[in-house]
Amino acid sequence: EVQLLESGGGLIQPGGSLRLSCAASGFTFRSYAVHWVRQAPGKGLEWVSGISGSGGTTFYAGSVADRFTISRDNSKNTLFLQLNSLRADDTAVYFCSRSRQGWELRSPLDYWGQGTLVTVSS
Amino acid sequence: DTQMTQSPSSLSASVGDRVTITCQASEGVSNYINWYQQQPGKAPKLLIYDASNLETGVPSRFSGSGSGTHFTFTINNLQPEDFATYYCQQYDPLPPRFGQGTRVDLK
Repeated sequence: EVQLLESGGGLIQPGGSLRLSCAASGFTFRSYAVHWVRQAPGKGLEWVSGISGSGGTTFYAGSVADRFTISRDNSKNTLFLQLNSLRADDTAVYFCSRSRQGWELRSPLDYWGQGTLVTVSS
Repeated sequence: DTQMTQSPSSLSASVGDRVTITCQASEGVSNYINWYQQQPGKAPKLLIYDASNLETGVPSRFSGSGSGTHFTFTINNLQPEDFATYYCQQYDPLPPRFGQGTRVDLK
């Protein structure tokens, strides 16, 4: 069974940093691109970042490109998102998800974690 | 970036109704459109991929159509478990973009 389990969220002050993790199981992690998608309270979905199976290709939404860094450790089946210079409008539930089409970043997202809440507030 | 305009933002319907949601892309995206369902407090669930393909395990009352810039998502014979929020998403070109969402609630 495919499972994605996020962790690392919490309350952080504006300007602070946080590192999110997503532990994957039930599939060959290195063969799939994976993504972060966020949802602000009461709002819609916003794609944040994606990374290829090898980790060699990454892509970011313009709103986070100079502040967030996506990475992965295929030996530990884990996806990461480093969040720096956090702002109040980064407050959201952060979901990790998997590309349906394997290594391809341009893909539907077929499995999702339950999300981890990041709250940016003083 | 490609913008996705989804409508309506909400609608009220009854069990057994047919529901239609549309999504307009700001530029042609071929058939690279997906539709997701999200229940409150839950992760999104992929229902339709590549405009018209039903994801494995999804009931056949859900369907999608369209190509280029105009797309339609339909639920036939609405069931109680279908009351949720639905999102379209384009995924090529990057970055992927979601529509604003359509909340389907009970009339």
